[in-house]
Amino acid sequence: ETGVTQTPRHLVMGMTNKKSLKCEQHLGHNAMYWYKQSAKKPLELMFVYNFKEQTENNSVPSRFSPECPNSSHLFLHLHTLQPEDSALYLCASSQVQEEGYNSPLHFGNGTRLTVT
Amino acid sequence: AQTVTQSQPEMSVQEAETVTLSCTYDTSESDYYLFWYKQPPSRQMILVIRQEAYKQQNATENRFSVNFQKAAKSFSLKISDSQLGDAAMYFCAYRSATWGSGDKLTFGTGTRLAVRP
Repeated sequence: ETGVTQTPRHLVMGMTNKKSLKCEQHLGHNAMYWYKQSAKKPLELMFVYNFKEQTENNSVPSRFSPECPNSSHLFLHLHTLQPEDSALYLCASSQVQEEGYNSPLHFGNGTRLTVT
Repeated sequence: AQTVTQSQPEMSVQEAETVTLSCTYDTSESDYYLFWYKQPPSRQMILVIRQEAYKQQNATENRFSVNFQKAAKSFSLKISDSQLGDAAMYFCAYRSATWGSGDKLTFGTGTRLAVRP
C-alpha cells in the first residue's frame, strides 16, 4: 500500500454533477495538499491544510471545496465544474516542523478528472 | 514570486548512457530547497533528489546527481548509466526555507525523458 492513496483513479463527470475526490495518507504526516496538473503547465498548488486548518487557498474557484476532517484524510468536493477543470488532481502530504526542515512532499497517484 | 524553468520539454538517452536535465530558477531568497521529482506512467510523483541551498556540495543519490550553481540559479540533474525504468517526466521544484511559506513547492513544466534500448 502506498503512503498516500487517492480514489477514484479516474472520474468522468458532467458540468452539473457533484462528486468528491478522496485522499488518505498513512505516513503520520501533519500537512496535506491538493495540486492540479494540467498538460504543459506547472503543477498548481490549490489548497494546503497544516495541522488540520486550511492555511492556503491559492485563489481557487469556489466550485472546488476542500475538506480535511483529520490529519490523515483530505477531500476535494466538486460541483458545477467547467471543461477546463479537466486535469490530474494530485494529493500530497508532508511533516511540517515548527523549526528546521520540513519533510519532502509524498504524492498519491492522482485522480484523472474529465469534465464533459 | 519564485519561478522555475525547464527549457527541455523532451530528452532522449541511450540505455547505459548519461543524460543531463536542465533547470533554472528565479528567487530573491538566499535560503531555499531544490528538488527533482520523477513522474512515471503510474502518475505518482517520486522524489529523486533534493538540495539545500546553504550546502555547497552537490547532492547525489546512487546514479542521480545534481550540479547546483547558486550564483547562476541553475540546478541540473545528471542520470548516469540510464535504465529503461528511468523513462518518465522529471520535474524540478523550488521551496522557500522561510517558515510559513515553506510548505509550498513551485514546479517547472517538466522534461519528458525517453530511454532507448
